[in-house]
Amino acid sequence: DTAVSQTPKYLVTQMGNDKSIKCEQNLGHDTMYWYKQDSKKFLKIMFSYNNKELIINETVPNRFSPKSPDKAHLNLHINSLELGDSAVYFCASSPPGLAGSEQYFGPGTRLTVT
Amino acid sequence: QQQVKQSPQSLIVQKGGISIINCAYENTAFDYFPWYQQFPGKGPALLIAIRPDVSEKKEGRFTISFNKSAKQFSLHIMDSQPGDSATYFCAANITGTASKLTFGTGTRLQVTL
Repeated sequence: DTAVSQTPKYLVTQMGNDKSIKCEQNLGHDTMYWYKQDSKKFLKIMFSYNNKELIINETVPNRFSPKSPDKAHLNLHINSLELGDSAVYFCASSPPGLAGSEQYFGPGTRLTVT
Repeated sequence: QQQVKQSPQSLIVQKGGISIINCAYENTAFDYFPWYQQFPGKGPALLIAIRPDVSEKKEGRFTISFNKSAKQFSLHIMDSQPGDSATYFCAANITGTASKLTFGTGTRLQVTL
């Protein structure tokens, strides 16, 4: 009974392609996030959704477009992939009440752009 | 601008020793300070967290010490074990709907036999 799951776990693709990463949480949380972890392991927030509404959009290129079909799912679509997009992308969720506090992370998707 | 500074970058501790990781923050509006543990190939996992109304929180072998006036907090791992070898991240945020975790740069801990 995985709490926060992501697919795929690994994604290898060529520059210029479009790809999507899917995230699902079965914790009943209202808020979901996408984080990017670079090669130096630095973690940075990209987006946050609360009940399907975008609430945080950091300075991320508009080639990245998150979509939340319902509060249990948050997908990330990336257009025109670039070498610099290679990273590990983590989805996370947090419960209502203490919004943003206890965040639970998925296993990550390692994206490699060649 | 790095709002949460973490040190050291890496740490080697003998089994049974105490591991200490330090973090400093700049934004006085932060009101939640978690520590995350990340094993290779896995996502970060919440280890322990503290709010600024207390100076210390202990859970098993893990203790957070918090110094509000100095804007610093630290993680102490007592009786360190090889299984504790992982990367540790401190973080901070402001509780609320439009909340986001600001992470430190991580400390790679290796516990040797």
